[in-house]
Amino acid sequence: GENVEQHPSTLSVQEGDSAVIKCTYSDSASNYFPWYKQELGKGPQLIIDIRSNVGEKKDQRIAVTLNKTAKHFSLHITETQPEDSAVYFCAASLHTGTASKLTFGTGTRLQVTL
Amino acid sequence: GAVVSQHPSWVICKSGTSVKIECRSLDFQATTMFWYRQFPKQSLMLMATSNEGSKATYEQGVEKDKFLINHASLTLSTLTVTSAHPEDSSFYICSARFRGSNQPQHFGDGTRLSIL
Repeated sequence: GENVEQHPSTLSVQEGDSAVIKCTYSDSASNYFPWYKQELGKGPQLIIDIRSNVGEKKDQRIAVTLNKTAKHFSLHITETQPEDSAVYFCAASLHTGTASKLTFGTGTRLQVTL
Repeated sequence: GAVVSQHPSWVICKSGTSVKIECRSLDFQATTMFWYRQFPKQSLMLMATSNEGSKATYEQGVEKDKFLINHASLTLSTLTVTSAHPEDSSFYICSARFRGSNQPQHFGDGTRLSIL
C-alpha cells in the first residue's frame, strides 16, 4: 500500500518568512495530493490540492509543487502570518473508483512567531 | 460550500454504553463518507469507508462489530461505538466526498469521545 513521509515534524518561522513542508510517497500510481490544515480541536481543512498532470499550483500565499519522477511534493507558504500556525498534513491517493482513499503523512506543526 | 457537520462535538459517557456520532454533508450529496480516528499529536487513521446504500468497508484491525457504520442517505452517515471502554477514548473525525472518486474529501470538526 501507499506510504507517505512528511518532514519536518515541527517548523518555527518568523512572521513574514516563508515555510516549506515536504512529503514523499511510495506508490508511483498515486495521482492526487491534497494538503490539509488542522487547528487545535478541529477537523482538517483542505487548503490546496494537486493532481499528477500538473507540476505546480498556486492560491494566493499557498503553493504546492509536485515531482512525479522523484515522488515528492511540497507545500510553500509565503508571507506567513500568526493565523497560519496549525498542524499541516499532506496526503496521497490513487483516484480510481469509489474505493480510493487518502494516505496521510505524519503532520507538521507550524508555529509562526511575531 | 462543501460543509460537513459532525455531532456531537464532545461526549463523555460511562464504560459499557454505546455512543452514536453523526456526520452530515450540509450542502452537497456525499456518495462516500470516511471515518477516521486520531490520537493526540498523531496523524489520521482511516477506520472505514462507507458508500451510500451499501455496507462499510473496514480497514484491517478495525472491529466492525465494535464500530457500526450506517450510511443511510446521501447526506448522513453514523458511527456507533458499541459497549465503549476507556481505550476507545479518542478524537473521531468523518469526511465526505461528492460524487466521483476524483473529488476531494471534506472533513467535519470531529467528536472527542471520553469513556470513564
